[in-house]
Amino acid sequence: GQQVKQSSPSLTVQEGGILILNCDYENDMFDYFAWYKKYPDNSPTLLISVRSNVDKREDGRFTVFLNKSGKHFSLHITASQPEDTAVYLCAAGMNQGGSAKLIFGEGTKLTVSS
Amino acid sequence: DMKVTQMPRYLIKRMGENVLLECGQDMSHETMYWYRQDPGLGLQLIYISYDVDSNSEGDIPKGYRVSRKKREHFSLILDSAKTNQTSVYFCASSPGTGRNTGQLYFGEGSKLTVL
Repeated sequence: GQQVKQSSPSLTVQEGGILILNCDYENDMFDYFAWYKKYPDNSPTLLISVRSNVDKREDGRFTVFLNKSGKHFSLHITASQPEDTAVYLCAAGMNQGGSAKLIFGEGTKLTVSS
Repeated sequence: DMKVTQMPRYLIKRMGENVLLECGQDMSHETMYWYRQDPGLGLQLIYISYDVDSNSEGDIPKGYRVSRKKREHFSLILDSAKTNQTSVYFCASSPGTGRNTGQLYFGEGSKLTVL
């Protein structure tokens, strides 16, 4: 089964708006949670990440919230801009043998309309 | 320059042919990965390599094998390609023990079409 799941395949928001992307996971051993951003025909790049010892991390317009008891984490984007239009992939994982093993969600296609 | 390079970027093969996808990285990362991306399925892990000749199956290894003879190079091999292996394949790398931040560095993808 899908260990990491994103609830919305697509989302549209008006420029300047606030949006929330959600991700649920199954394995309570996961200790690392991340959001990657992917433009068409480009490689995924890390947007923001958090370890399991914190429940929130903010980086400019982007904030990730972690709810370990609910096995859920989310990405909040404020003041959305047209260049935020992309596919957002959540990922969760744990260190195995000192290396990260990330499991990705299905992705949410975000469109910011101007 | 921190970079993950994939070759070829585009490939068309016939069913039953062999496929070799190559990946290189210049960051001396111990860990390397092969994922495939399909619509509605996100990135699915095929294989992970923890270092030279230290490879482990991911979630969907069937129909694939890998080779890691040098730390900077990781190959994905399809012996007798199938049409359902048409996909975009992404290679990634990350630092290993002691330097691991969790971040993966991805190549630009290899689009494989199997006819």
